[in-house]
Amino acid sequence: NAGVMQNPRHLVRRRGQEARLRCSPMKGHSHVYWYRQLPEEGLKFMVYLQKENIIDESGMPKERFSAEFPKEGPSILRIQQVVRGDSAAYFCASSPPSGREETQYFGPGTRLLVL
Amino acid sequence: TQLLEQSPQFLSIQEGENLTVYCNSSSVFSSLQWYRQEPGEGPVLLVTVVTGGEVKKLKRLTFQFGDARKDSSLHITAAQPGDTGLYLCAGALKLNDYKLSFGAGTTVTVRA
Repeated sequence: NAGVMQNPRHLVRRRGQEARLRCSPMKGHSHVYWYRQLPEEGLKFMVYLQKENIIDESGMPKERFSAEFPKEGPSILRIQQVVRGDSAAYFCASSPPSGREETQYFGPGTRLLVL
Repeated sequence: TQLLEQSPQFLSIQEGENLTVYCNSSSVFSSLQWYRQEPGEGPVLLVTVVTGGEVKKLKRLTFQFGDARKDSSLHITAAQPGDTGLYLCAGALKLNDYKLSFGAGTTVTVRA
């Protein structure tokens, strides 16, 4: 009965490198959401995906950030040419296809540190 | 600016005491969720409240949704060290709104 899985749990990158964060939703869940948590701030919505579709990416920076949820495999949040301001905890959440979309189950997060 | 304001920001109490955490907004929410987050982990869903005035109990935790659906409270009776954590409220502005708005959280420490 695995929950939402994220890896890596910790990621260190130097400025200018790429960061790839992976998320496997709970079994049976087809909706995936990515949030970012900065120190002393609440979680901020970034993007909502269903299999092979980006439903809403209004919370994601227009440049350097992209997300996908392929037919097979985990959802990927990709940050190109990272900068120090990208350092944060990134959380993935999932919800089932027929349930209330505001009832979301979160993974353990990936802590990204940009040096 | 946060859509949801949580208070207090920090709370430290002795084991056995009671505590209440508040979540307030000027906006009306379709539903509110409460999560608990431990250091280095993700938020764990505790409860969802959807009806104005609704009260839900989860063992020693009591959650209330305000009549006007603008605020919520979490009350813990006889707190234990295991209750230590960051308590987050999150709201959906409309039914099935996936874009949750989170408060900044209340850090609760229960001393043995």
